[in-house]
Amino acid sequence: SQELEQSPQSLIVQEGKNLTINCTSSKTLYGLYWYKQKYGEGLIFLMMLQKGGEEKSHEKITAKLDEKKQQSSLHITASQPSHAGIYLCGADGNTGNQFYFGTGTSLTVIP
Amino acid sequence: DSGVTQTPKHLITATGQRVTLRCSPRSGDLSVYWYQQSLDQGLQFLIQYYNGEERAKGNILERFSAQQFPDLHSELNLSSLELGDSALYFCASSVVLAGGWGPTYNEQFFGPGTRLTVL
Repeated sequence: SQELEQSPQSLIVQEGKNLTINCTSSKTLYGLYWYKQKYGEGLIFLMMLQKGGEEKSHEKITAKLDEKKQQSSLHITASQPSHAGIYLCGADGNTGNQFYFGTGTSLTVIP
Repeated sequence: DSGVTQTPKHLITATGQRVTLRCSPRSGDLSVYWYQQSLDQGLQFLIQYYNGEERAKGNILERFSAQQFPDLHSELNLSSLELGDSALYFCASSVVLAGGWGPTYNEQFFGPGTRLTVL
């Protein structure tokens, strides 16, 4: 089965600071998704990456998939309290239709 | 609001009991996924249905079962409940499923979840 390891496990930053969350896969990624979850609530889709080297941005959040398609990073520029939550990477299984989620990164932004 | 609804929002029951969780996907979405989220296991994929048929199974216990009805809503049945079954249960839906086996490349829209507490 596919395993997705995220780092760091938790992050506390001052408002305005930049930060990066990493997601490393045990296997080649065919579709890599980033989701955000507020505690106890459903997940909100952020971005999907498919191609090696692909980079996507939405507002102050940028996600990249490395060339070998085994690692992705999520970068937040000038963090705000509204960015706080749990960030999860997810991936399609390369066989079958299972879906896997990473271990999650809890982000706290201090005003 | 994702457009995916789940009921009930909270459920408190006793060990050994059986419960049914309900999910209505977004209008037009044919795929429904069920997930279990607990503190120690994280977010685990349970099962997926596409247009009424089971398409993939993940870490779903034999005590758990699911189905998707002709109107595309889905139910997750949990029986002989144990304390360890206490968790948040999410369903998600997506538009289409790629033909055959292989990645779906489709974003999933998640419901607000059902919090199950087994006492």
